[in-house]
Parts: sequence; structure tokens; C-alpha cells
Amino acid sequence: DTAVSQTPKYLVTQMGNDKSIKCEQNLGHDTMYWYKQDSKKFLKIMFSYNNKELIINETVPNRFSPKSPDKAHLNLHINSLELGDSAVYFCASSQVRGTYNEQFFGPGTRLTVL
Amino acid sequence: AQSVTQLDSHVSVSEGTPVLLRCNYSSSYSPSLFWYVQHPNKGLQLLLKYTSAATLVKGINGFEAEFKKSETSFHLTKPSAHMSDAAEYFCVVRAGYSSASKIIFGSGTRLSIRP
Repeated sequence: DTAVSQTPKYLVTQMGNDKSIKCEQNLGHDTMYWYKQDSKKFLKIMFSYNNKELIINETVPNRFSPKSPDKAHLNLHINSLELGDSAVYFCASSQVRGTYNEQFFGPGTRLTVL
Repeated sequence: AQSVTQLDSHVSVSEGTPVLLRCNYSSSYSPSLFWYVQHPNKGLQLLLKYTSAATLVKGINGFEAEFKKSETSFHLTKPSAHMSDAAEYFCVVRAGYSSASKIIFGSGTRLSIRP
């Protein structure tokens, strides 16, 4: 069973469109994250949710809106897509409890904006 | 403030020779340190972690790392490289243990293995 899953795996779309990426984890973790990996492989955290509440919100354009309907899901909606949004987006989860706080990553969603 | 520096963007070794991937960090708090591996077109997989227990940490696939506070380093090593080790490796620092603790990824080191 996949621990952290993302859909879709690939997403090709035109500039100006709105798209969503879904993430689900079946690990019972209380914290979920979205990361963006650019073409140089640099990974940057975008958002973090703990028990459905936003706790980390890095300097991300407000075109990006995360939504957490429950602890097991964290979806990412992107409005008015731009060329610079092309990247691989990774979802991750963790159970932050003392020192046991490693993250488990999904397989990634490769977004290409044309 | 926290930061993490991976000193080499690319390391190339021959199969069967030792691997050393270097990572230096800075953190205002007691850090948790991690190494993740990313194979081509795949997600990230945890190799090992340091969380203030033993300073020498053993991970999967024969990798290990040593936390050296005096040198603020957490270098990743493996005695004998295998072709399947070719991947991108990320050093990660997390300051603090709460869900709001900042997580910083290094810029990555690409490991190539020569036959």
C-alpha cells in the first residue's frame, strides 16, 4: 500500500488555467506538507498543515491555496498558472512527536505549464 | 537561524570505492538532521536521521552519517559504492520538535557511480 499518494503524476496545462493536485496519506500522521522542486532539484517547503490547520506558509503567491478537508488529505489548488510554476510538487507527511519527526514523501506531480 | 550547506553539487566515484557526501549545518536549536535520497523521477526516501541520540547513525543500504557538533557537520558515508546508489542526496535540518519547526533542505548532491 502506498503510504503517501499524489494525483495526478503528470499535469500539462496552459498558462492562465486553474488546476489542483491531490494528496492522501494513510499513515495516520497529523502533519502534511507541500514542497516545490525546481529544475535544479532545489526543494522548498510551501505549506504545512497540522490537524487541518495551516502552520507554515512560506512566501508563496496567493494563487496557491492549500486545502485540508481532513487530517489524511492536503490538496493544492493553483489559480492562473504561470510558466514559472512548472516544477515537481511533492506532498509529504509526518507525525511530529518528540524526536520522531521524519517526513514521508509522495512520488511527486510533475507540472508543466505551456 | 537555520541553514544547511551541501558542499559538493556532484560527486563521482568508482563502483566499490568509498562514498563521502558532505553536509554542514547551522541551527539555533538542537537540530534534527536527515539524509534523503531521490532516485531519478522518484520521490524522496529517508536514508537515516540524527535526533540527539547516538552521534553515529546507521541507515539503509549501508549508509551511515556522523553528527559532529564541534564541526557542525553531518557527512554521509558508505564504505563501498554500488551502481544502484546513483541518485540525488539531500541533507535536511529541522530545528525543534514541534510541527511548526522550520525544515531546510540542502541544495542536493548528485552521486554518480562509474563502472
